[in-house]
Amino acid sequence: GAGVSQSPSNKVTEKGKDVELRCDPISGHTALYWYRQSLGQGLEFLIYFQGNSAPDKSGLPSDRFSAERTGGSVSTLTIQRTQQEDSAVYLCASRPGTGAGTGGYTFGSGTRLTVV
Amino acid sequence: QKEVEQDPGPLSVPEGAIVSLNCTYSNSAFQYFMWYRQYSRKGPELLMYTYSSGNKEDGRFTAQVDKSSKYISLFIRDSQPSDSATYLCAMSGIQGAQKLVFGQGTRLTINP
Repeated sequence: GAGVSQSPSNKVTEKGKDVELRCDPISGHTALYWYRQSLGQGLEFLIYFQGNSAPDKSGLPSDRFSAERTGGSVSTLTIQRTQQEDSAVYLCASRPGTGAGTGGYTFGSGTRLTVV
Repeated sequence: QKEVEQDPGPLSVPEGAIVSLNCTYSNSAFQYFMWYRQYSRKGPELLMYTYSSGNKEDGRFTAQVDKSSKYISLFIRDSQPSDSATYLCAMSGIQGAQKLVFGQGTRLTINP
């Protein structure tokens, strides 16, 4: 597609349940990032994928969070045993690469997660 | 202290005014500087992208970077009601993942 696609757009889940959030980046973009935006807060980095390299997981807040990227394209962010503090908008972004002059990130519209 | 500081506003100005949005930062390794616009319930949309110091102009938007002062600005000329949104500054280094570090965002309203 022309842009970064995320699904679902909204998700309401009960505390303790697992959720999966999907990101479909722009075709050909090798770099993919997940960010979290909490109410009244800026965007917080979660995880980064670049090609076949090992992902940078340094932003994941706990071991309940994990992500994978299959075939260098679609990515799934999984949150296990959800807690109320996980409620936020989860944003995915992609870039053509990470070389100098590659340009800015293109973001999807996000998944709004509410844990009740 | 946050790496990137941005006044969250809200900022309200009349249509046609010149708007000035600013961020300061503390990490001298930052080399790429961006401004994003985010409408309610939408993802951030890239407005301006600059490398190192200097000015960049695109239509009614001008971005300025002063690395010596660790200060970046976005100017909007002839502001329109459609410019009403949250504006986020973001920056990264040139090594590794080039993870973006964002400011908190400034909520801007342009009044007709």
